[in-house]
Amino acid sequence: DTGVSQNPRHKITKRGQNVTFRCDPISEHNRLYWYRQTLGQGPEFLTYFQNEAQLEKSRLLSDRFSAERPKGSFSTLEIQRTEQGDSAMYLCASSLSLAGPTDTQYFGPGTRLTVL
Amino acid sequence: AQKITQTQPGMFVQEKEAVTLDCTYDTSDQSYGLFWYKQPSSGEMIFLIYQGSYDEQNATEGRYSLNFQKARKSANLVISASQLGDSAMYFCAMPGDTGFQKLVFGTGTRLLVSP
Repeated sequence: DTGVSQNPRHKITKRGQNVTFRCDPISEHNRLYWYRQTLGQGPEFLTYFQNEAQLEKSRLLSDRFSAERPKGSFSTLEIQRTEQGDSAMYLCASSLSLAGPTDTQYFGPGTRLTVL
Repeated sequence: AQKITQTQPGMFVQEKEAVTLDCTYDTSDQSYGLFWYKQPSSGEMIFLIYQGSYDEQNATEGRYSLNFQKARKSANLVISASQLGDSAMYFCAMPGDTGFQKLVFGTGTRLLVSP
């Protein structure tokens, strides 16, 4: 059973460039989440998909950020016109929605973005 | 809004000893859950243990147990028989306002296990 995978693991870019990250969730999981983690902080929620529908977006997700999950499988997170403040670890997680209250999220290894 | 507080920025423990990592939370929900994750230096968040607010028994998973005190709004993680591989950041988390679709994390505790 493969876990959540993310590519690339590291990305260095210049300010103003666009970047795109990919997340492949655990195969049977219907929910997919993106979080951002800056140094010394816990992860902060960005957005969440149930199948292909994007159901919630954080106020942290400015207009420069867009996420997709076109066929309800993998997801991409694009950042346009990157700024130095976008430098962070971007974490993807997936879960299987169940009838009960427990919906454990399993995380990938993250993509570390550095904007110069 | 839900809030998680982890007041210990760093903890030290010797190998084979037990250690308790503190977590307090704030929520107005009657039904909720608490999660603990481990984050090694590689960056991946590893799920450790979960406790639901209506679970009567404290959760245990191998060497991990959760000391859940609902009246005090605390959900401390106890690691027994610490191992060198336990050295990592540990995060407490709970669902946000919209339920399990969004986790709210604390700032974490860095645990260092020495030989």
